[in-house]
Amino acid sequence: QVQLKESGPGLVQPSQTLSLTCTVSGLSLTSNSVSWIRQPPGKGLEWMGVIWSNGGTDYNSAIKSRLSISRDTSKSQVFLKMNSLQTEDTAMYFCARRGNLFDYWGQGVMVTVSS
Amino acid sequence: DIQMTQSPSVLSASVGDRVTLNCKASQNINKYLNWYQQKLGEAPKLLIYNTNNLQTGIPSRFSGSGSGTDYTLTISSLQPEDVATYFCFQHNSWPTFGSGTKLEIK
Repeated sequence: QVQLKESGPGLVQPSQTLSLTCTVSGLSLTSNSVSWIRQPPGKGLEWMGVIWSNGGTDYNSAIKSRLSISRDTSKSQVFLKMNSLQTEDTAMYFCARRGNLFDYWGQGVMVTVSS
Repeated sequence: DIQMTQSPSVLSASVGDRVTLNCKASQNINKYLNWYQQKLGEAPKLLIYNTNNLQTGIPSRFSGSGSGTDYTLTISSLQPEDVATYFCFQHNSWPTFGSGTKLEIK
């Protein structure tokens, strides 16, 4: 069955770069898009960006200058890199299948930005 | 960017009630509107896509409607397991979520 699982560091220092991995199973990245979505504690959801099945990407304009999404199809992994982290980037980070549908989600990984 | 406004922010209702949640877009989103349910401590779950299409496995008491800028999620008979926060999401243009409606049981 389709599964997604996020992994990465739980704590990142301010101004540093966040690197997260979404490992998928039960689906091929060459025929499925994967999005990243985040949720600050107690707040709503923010779409961050998507990597499409053809490898193209789209990003939220508010964070586009700091964000990069890539993939390794042979390892069934999607990567998120975001630089210049600040405390307001503290959030649960989710990956989800399909660019505009999000029909399957990972469990999420909590990232805290703090010194 | 398109702004999505959900109302009410908190809704308290009794088991068995018909419940209506609202989502208003700042411009026409051409029915490209999804609804998600998020229970405490869990990832969101897709309920409805493109205004009125029920996702596989979702109970038929959930339904969606709307057009233009105004959209609605209806629960025909509220159940205890429906306690959650509900988010709308538009994908007509750069994707944006609403701020959510927290649904409680009286």
